[in-house]
Amino acid sequence: SYVLTQPPSVSVAPGKTARITCGGKNIGSKSVHWYQQKAGQAPVLVIYYDSDRPSGIPERVSGSNSGNTATLTISRVEAGDEADYYCQVWDTSSVVFGGGTKLTVL
Amino acid sequence: EVQLVQSGAEVKKPGESLRISCKGSGYSFTSYWISWVRQMPGKGLEWMGRIDPSDSYTNYSPSFQGHVTISADKSISTAYLQWSSLKASDTAMYYCARHGNEGGDFDSWGQGTLVTVSS
Repeated sequence: SYVLTQPPSVSVAPGKTARITCGGKNIGSKSVHWYQQKAGQAPVLVIYYDSDRPSGIPERVSGSNSGNTATLTISRVEAGDEADYYCQVWDTSSVVFGGGTKLTVL
Repeated sequence: EVQLVQSGAEVKKPGESLRISCKGSGYSFTSYWISWVRQMPGKGLEWMGRIDPSDSYTNYSPSFQGHVTISADKSISTAYLQWSSLKASDTAMYYCARHGNEGGDFDSWGQGTLVTVSS
């Protein structure tokens, strides 16, 4: 089965840039979606189809996908960005989630 | 406004049966699939399976096939997740989420239903 690998944690100072990776075999050939989950809340879609932003998601949140790695980039990080982030793809009619990355704002 | 509203928290004993629900509103319920996602305490998201409410076709993750049943009643815009015999290891938060056909993102999520199984 297809595996998505995310770093368990990423730490960044306010105002800096956070990059959260999602590794998978030839993931660049798949569409990647990203979700933010704050403590005690349901997940929220933040990036779809690799790099599109839903309405209401700020422009400082962006995504890219190439080769074996997809990346979620959050620029000018704020305290409110602290959350768990999950990447997601479809593989052989099944949904696969990455293990999640906890973003800590120092 | 698109909304998925799930049924309330449940406390059950091992061996009991359970059905939780997810009611969609603000959109055409049969135009989107519904998936169920498990999140065990302190853990990540796990996809359980999905249903197409227009024809009730289902597809399950191999990890959950045979352990749960997903169904839907399009007349009341509601999807269900059902267990016939709960185990302590079923203790988790369960989310429903809406998405387009295969390949699509989960653009709207329910608030979650906490299921606790304990003797």
